[in-house]
Order: sequence, then structure tokens, then C-alpha cells
Amino acid sequence: DQQVKQNSPSLSVQEGRISILNCDYTNSMFDYFLWYKKYPAEGPTFLISISSIKDKNEDGRFTVFLNKSAKHLSLHIVPSQPGDSAVYFCAASPSGSRLTFGEGTQLTVNP
Amino acid sequence: DAGVIQSPRHEVTEMGQEVTLRCKPISGHDYLFWYRQTMMRGLELLIYFNNNVPIDDSGMPEDRFSAKMPNASFSTLKIQPSEPRDSAVYFCASSLTEKYLRGQYFGPGTRLTVT
Repeated sequence: DQQVKQNSPSLSVQEGRISILNCDYTNSMFDYFLWYKKYPAEGPTFLISISSIKDKNEDGRFTVFLNKSAKHLSLHIVPSQPGDSAVYFCAASPSGSRLTFGEGTQLTVNP
Repeated sequence: DAGVIQSPRHEVTEMGQEVTLRCKPISGHDYLFWYRQTMMRGLELLIYFNNNVPIDDSGMPEDRFSAKMPNASFSTLKIQPSEPRDSAVYFCASSLTEKYLRGQYFGPGTRLTVT
């Protein structure tokens, strides 16, 4: 039972355009959500997070949106840069305990 | 700080052999996590420790898997006997608090291939 799903295994965008990565979850107990970025041969690194009391959190070029009623969150990257090419994982946690990760989405930003 | 250190980076072994993966967390971190990454299931939490004590091992797939944390600076994940379906990348991560306000810090991973 995959409680966190990223339905798009890959996404390709042009440099300078917006990248939108999506994530759906099923567990209503999740109240904290994170995005991680992973380059080849490296471990995932924390990117941005959002608490369920908010619907948006912004950090530079990265914005995470949370729609609790739809159990959906998305990561927007504007403008996209070739260095953003990586695998992006969304993750969710109930009350600050164990993280459940999605399958990941490979983002490719073309120059 | 050197970050989370994992060894070996790559391991190739034959089915039936024992495999031991090692992890050194970031100094001062009191939580340590073991994850497995596969194409089909993404990142799965296997087990995590708090102050060297296992808290939740519900993600450990079978009795063939075991994990220990004898002290605050070292942990092992052992698979005995190994099977081809155990082939995956295994990550160790640590954090200062279970409250993931800034996320966990991951090591570079160990790529395990069981033939």
C-alpha cells in the first residue's frame, strides 16, 4: 500500500520555464510534508517542507503547495535551471514521526 | 562535519552470503535511520534508532535483515542470507531530532548487488 505516490516517473522542461512536480497521499494522519532532491551517486538532500497548517511555503525559486482536501502537494521551481536536474522525492510524516517517501520523479531541465 | 559516512559504497555478493553495511552518523545526532531504495517502491524506511535504541523496525522485510547500533557513532545493517531481490541502494540517515523540521541528513548510500 503506497501511501505517498508520485505518478510521474519523469518530467522534462526547458531552462527558464516552470517545473511542477506532483505528489498525492492517502493517509489523513500525515501533517508534515517534505521534498528531497537526489543527484546520482549521492544521498537525498532536504529541499523544502510544509506543515499542514499552511497551504504554501516559499524558499527562493522553490515553492511547495499543499491542498489538504485533495491530499495533494506540488513543488514549483521557477525559473528552472539545468542544475535542478535530479530525482525529486516527496515525503510525509504523521506528527513528526517516521517519514514515508514517494517513488521519486526524475526532472530534466534542458538548456 | 564530514556528514553521514557509509561503507562500502558498492557491494557485490553471491546469493546466500552474509552482507554487512556500515554507517557513521553525524556527531551529536540522536536519530539514525536505515532506508532502502528500489525502482518500484522508492525509498522505504527499514528501521530507526533513537539514542542507540531501535524504535521502529516494522519496515524490516524479513528475519534475514537485522540492524544494530552499539554506540552513538556506529550502526550496521546485516543481511543473512542475501538474496537477489535484496539488490538495492541502502541509505543511512541521521537527524538531531525526530521532528523533521529541516529534514534528515543522508549518507551517499551503499549499492548492493546480489547475484
